[in-house]
Amino acid sequence: NAGVMQNPRHLVRRRGQEARLRCSPMKGHSHVYWYRQLPEEGLKFMVYLQKENIIDESGMPKERFSAEFPKEGPSILRIQQVVRGDSAAYFCASSPVATHLTGNTIYFGEGSWLTVV
Amino acid sequence: ELKVEQNPLFLSMQEGKNYTIYCNYSTTSDRLYWYRQDPGKSLESLFVLLSNGAVKQEGRLMASLDTKARLSTLHITAAVHDLSATYFCAVDPQGGSEKLVFGKGTKLTVNP
Repeated sequence: NAGVMQNPRHLVRRRGQEARLRCSPMKGHSHVYWYRQLPEEGLKFMVYLQKENIIDESGMPKERFSAEFPKEGPSILRIQQVVRGDSAAYFCASSPVATHLTGNTIYFGEGSWLTVV
Repeated sequence: ELKVEQNPLFLSMQEGKNYTIYCNYSTTSDRLYWYRQDPGKSLESLFVLLSNGAVKQEGRLMASLDTKARLSTLHITAAVHDLSATYFCAVDPQGGSEKLVFGKGTKLTVNP
């Protein structure tokens, strides 16, 4: 039973380029979450999605960042015109249902490390 | 705004010793999560604490939750080198785990 799959694991982009990070949730999971981890920091919530819906994007920067979870295919976190401050690890997580209903935790992928040069 | 504070942030200990990591949070929540992260790796769920007074143990780790004090502890008994990692606590102000607020982590190094 595959876990949460993220790719690429490592990505290098020059300032001004676009970064696309992909996340395939665990089988049977329809809720996806993106978190960002800056060096020596804890993870910070970015966005919560269900299929074709953004449930909560309160942690997303207002500009250059967008996320989607289409009916078919992985969830994608897109960062346009990257800057050095976007260098971080981006973690995707998934759950089968909204966790406040179950008390269960969410399951994290292995992360995508973005380096902007 | 919910704040989650861990201390210490860095902990170096000898094998065989005991120690406690503390996690304080600033608003009411009756659920708290502990995770382990190895360098360059994802987060591994260790404990989900769902109510006041909850205590869970797994091997040399034991976690507890006091919702009235807004405090959770992660106690390490007779540490071994394999426990070296960064430990995070996290709280969701909405009561689930969709929108977790993480502490900065405690980087634990266990020396032989």
